[in-house]
Amino acid sequence: NAGVTQTPKFQVLKTGQSMTLQCAQDMNHEYMSWYRQDPGMGLRLIHYSVGAGITDQGEVPNGYNVSRSTTEDFPLRLLSAAPSQTSVYFCASSYPQAGKLFFGSGTQLSVL
Amino acid sequence: AQRVTQPEKLLSVFKGAPVELKCNYSYSGSPELFWYVQYSRQRLQLLLRHISRESIKGFTADLNKGETSFHLKKPFAQEEDSAMYYCALSGDTGNQFYFGTGTSLTVIP
Repeated sequence: NAGVTQTPKFQVLKTGQSMTLQCAQDMNHEYMSWYRQDPGMGLRLIHYSVGAGITDQGEVPNGYNVSRSTTEDFPLRLLSAAPSQTSVYFCASSYPQAGKLFFGSGTQLSVL
Repeated sequence: AQRVTQPEKLLSVFKGAPVELKCNYSYSGSPELFWYVQYSRQRLQLLLRHISRESIKGFTADLNKGETSFHLKKPFAQEEDSAMYYCALSGDTGNQFYFGTGTSLTVIP
């Protein structure tokens, strides 16, 4: 059972480049979410989804897009990367309102 | 507005000593409170949640609505407790989670 899988683990981008961080889960969780982790800031919610075709913004959505075409996948898109988006990104999933989040192993992104 | 506050970034205790990691929150509705833990080279994982009222790995946490606190406690710290601990809050809808800035606990042998 793979749980929540994030790819890539590491990525370096130049300012203005675009990329997609992948997140997949095999637990049939309806709820999926993206967080960024910055020193001294903890984890902050970027976007979340309560099911296929449904997404909503979290605390820090600017500069990021998401879509949810299947229950399993919840990709995070950076359309034009900025140095301020240098961070560690975590994907998490759970059953709706279940409270227990299952986290991926994270993606360390550096934007130069 | 910051909803979850963990005042200690770093906390060191000796093995066998009691440990308390502080967490205060602000939320106007009825939140659910959690403690998540990240051990070295492992994923972030749920340690406990207030509605379960259970003890996990010897840790307990009581929700004090009057003081808006959810401190994590363990009477006798073990070396394997060394980790990063995050207090988290889930709002009324259960869909938005707010995390504190984390406390890095080191248990000294």
